[in-house]
Amino acid sequence: AQKITQTQPGMFVQEKEAVTLDCTYDTSDQSYGLFWYKQPSSGEMIFLIYQGSYDEQNATEGRYSLNFQKARKSANLVISASQLGDSAMYFCAMREGMDSNYQLIWGAGTKLIIKP
Amino acid sequence: DSGVTQTPKHLITATGQRVTLRCSPRSGDLSVYWYQQSLDQGLQFLIQYYNGEERAKGNILERFSAQQFPDLHSELNLSSLELGDSALYFCASSVGGRFVHEQYFGPGTRLTVT
Repeated sequence: AQKITQTQPGMFVQEKEAVTLDCTYDTSDQSYGLFWYKQPSSGEMIFLIYQGSYDEQNATEGRYSLNFQKARKSANLVISASQLGDSAMYFCAMREGMDSNYQLIWGAGTKLIIKP
Repeated sequence: DSGVTQTPKHLITATGQRVTLRCSPRSGDLSVYWYQQSLDQGLQFLIQYYNGEERAKGNILERFSAQQFPDLHSELNLSSLELGDSALYFCASSVGGRFVHEQYFGPGTRLTVT
């Protein structure tokens, strides 16, 4: 079974609009973390935002916020006021447990294209 | 710039050959992770080292091996290369530890096996 599911292979959004990228996850751990990374066409992976399973508030980093709904096991990324430079692949990833030895489990990604 | 460096940036080699990918973590980071990103498999975790010791193993083939040296840089060795090994190989680093979260990625090494 997929541990991380990103159901939107691609999205087109008008510049300056807000965009929500979906991510659902599956874990039986009580402690886990959820990440979003951005991969522009140049290839590098850029860390955007992190949400821990015990964090009571939704994480925010500038224009990025994470809409964390624990009961629904979803961790959607919201980008406000989208910009042309936001065009990229976006990956949701999960860390299970809080042990120092952890690996990230990745979703398949969503390709976001911002239209001028 | 994440502070993680990887060399080389591009590598083209033939089937059956062996290559070594190198990674230098961010200053102060003790954990190094290797990932493979291919078109058909997506992003796959390969292996993790923490302060010189192997700590976690993912979908790493027996033809692949890695190590982390006393100066904390890491090398990923890929041998008996096959066409399907063509991929982008990322190294990531983190401080390590229970409450540290994000991994910082290097720019990747793009391997093409012909």
